[in-house]
Amino acid sequence: QSVLTQTPSTSGTPGQRVTIYCSGSRSNIGSNTVNWYQQFPGMAPKLLLYNTNLRPSGVPDRFSGSKSGTSASLAISGLQSEDEADYHCAAWDDRLNGYVFGTGTKVTVL
Amino acid sequence: EVQLVQSGAEVGKPGESLRISCQDSGYTFSKYWITWVRQMPGKGLEWMGRIDPSDSYTNYSPSFEGHVTLSVDKSISTAYLQWSSLKASDTAMYYCARLATTEPWGQGTLVTVSS
Repeated sequence: QSVLTQTPSTSGTPGQRVTIYCSGSRSNIGSNTVNWYQQFPGMAPKLLLYNTNLRPSGVPDRFSGSKSGTSASLAISGLQSEDEADYHCAAWDDRLNGYVFGTGTKVTVL
Repeated sequence: EVQLVQSGAEVGKPGESLRISCQDSGYTFSKYWITWVRQMPGKGLEWMGRIDPSDSYTNYSPSFEGHVTLSVDKSISTAYLQWSSLKASDTAMYYCARLATTEPWGQGTLVTVSS
């Protein structure tokens, strides 16, 4: 049912850079900014990036975002063990007149 | 810090009605839309719809329209998500949030529907 597609999982070792991709369409990512949410097991999602590449207060600068066409990406540089979580992309969809989330990506720190 | 505080876990039977709540502990209740998000066990996030607390205007996802009702009570800064007839497939965690802000989401309300 998700309109935005993400790779189900990715992994990396501490210190490595990992990138998570989010694929959408012209009506969502192609027309609007993207938000990214981080979610730990049993916890509510937390806003990680908004307006595609802005970090709320308290989010480390090793998290960065970008967008190109109908795809967006979240990069984690200097991966740390505490980054092990699920990551969800999201954007407003003009055609659906609603907010759409990605399928989610589980990041594992090896 | 402004917070959205949700009501506790609920257990219901198929066909029963249920209402869960989301209370704003700050002073900005009418300023931003309140959104509800569903997360089924082991699954991703789904946008259910949103409500403008200033005038109760609603905007539902087609996937949920007709099955749930969003409402607010401005006098107590509380938003509600309501079912008139629960289904087993409504078993999920439900979150409220103000997606137009950087504020934390509500802590979530687990709804379990079982006969």
